[in-house]
Amino acid sequence: AQSVAQPEDQVNVAEGNPLTVKCTYSVSGNPYLFWYVQYPNRGLQFLLKYITGDNLVKGSYGFEAEFNKSQTSFHLKKPSALVSDSALYFCAVSPPGSARQLTFGSGTQLTVLP
Amino acid sequence: GAGVSQSPRYKVAKRGQDVALRCDPISGHVSLFWYQQALGQGPEFLTYFQNEAQLDKSGLPSDRFFAERPEGSVSTLKIQRTQQEDSAVYLCASSLEGRGQETQYFGPGTRLLVL
Repeated sequence: AQSVAQPEDQVNVAEGNPLTVKCTYSVSGNPYLFWYVQYPNRGLQFLLKYITGDNLVKGSYGFEAEFNKSQTSFHLKKPSALVSDSALYFCAVSPPGSARQLTFGSGTQLTVLP
Repeated sequence: GAGVSQSPRYKVAKRGQDVALRCDPISGHVSLFWYQQALGQGPEFLTYFQNEAQLDKSGLPSDRFFAERPEGSVSTLKIQRTQQEDSAVYLCASSLEGRGQETQYFGPGTRLLVL
C-alpha cells in the first residue's frame, strides 16, 4: 500500500523569504509524485509532478520540488514567498507505471505574512 | 479552454434521500476520477473510468455509492439513502491517457451536506 505524510499542518513564512513544505512517501518501486494547491471553496490546482528524469522539478508560479529517493521525500520549495501563495498544499503519490489512484497527504496550510 | 465542471456546487439533502452529482470532464480526456474530501482532510480516491469502463471502484465506501459514465464523457456519482457521514466535498478529475499525460485536472467540487 502507498502512503504520503505531510508532517506539518501549518507553515508560516514572511513574504520574500524562502518557503519549504515537506512531503515524504511510502510506495514500492518508482513512484509518480505530485503537488496540488487548494484555495478556499475551489478545487485542486496542479503545481508540478515528478515522473522520471531530473530530480529537481520546476512547476507553476515559481514553485519547485526535489525528488530524493534515498530519503523518500518530495519537498515543495519556492525561493521567495508571496502573500498570494497562502493556501492549502497537498502532496500526492500514485503507483509506479501510471497515475491512476492518487493517494493524498493530509495537507499543509501555508500562510505568508506580509 | 474549459476545465472540469461539476454540478451542483452545493447540495443539501435530508438523511435517507438519494443524490446525483454530475461531472463534465475536459473535452477529449479519456480518464475520469472521483474523490471524496472530508473536512480538514486530503481527498480520498473513490473510483476511476477509462472511457465508459469503470476500471477501479475499490474506494467506494459502500454499495450505496454508484458511479457511471455511459458514453465515456459526462459522469454521474449517485449516493442512495444518504447518511450524515456522507457529508463531504466530492471532487471529479480527468486526464488524458498515456505516457506523459498523467496529470489529473480537478473540478471545483460539489459540497454535500446531509442533515
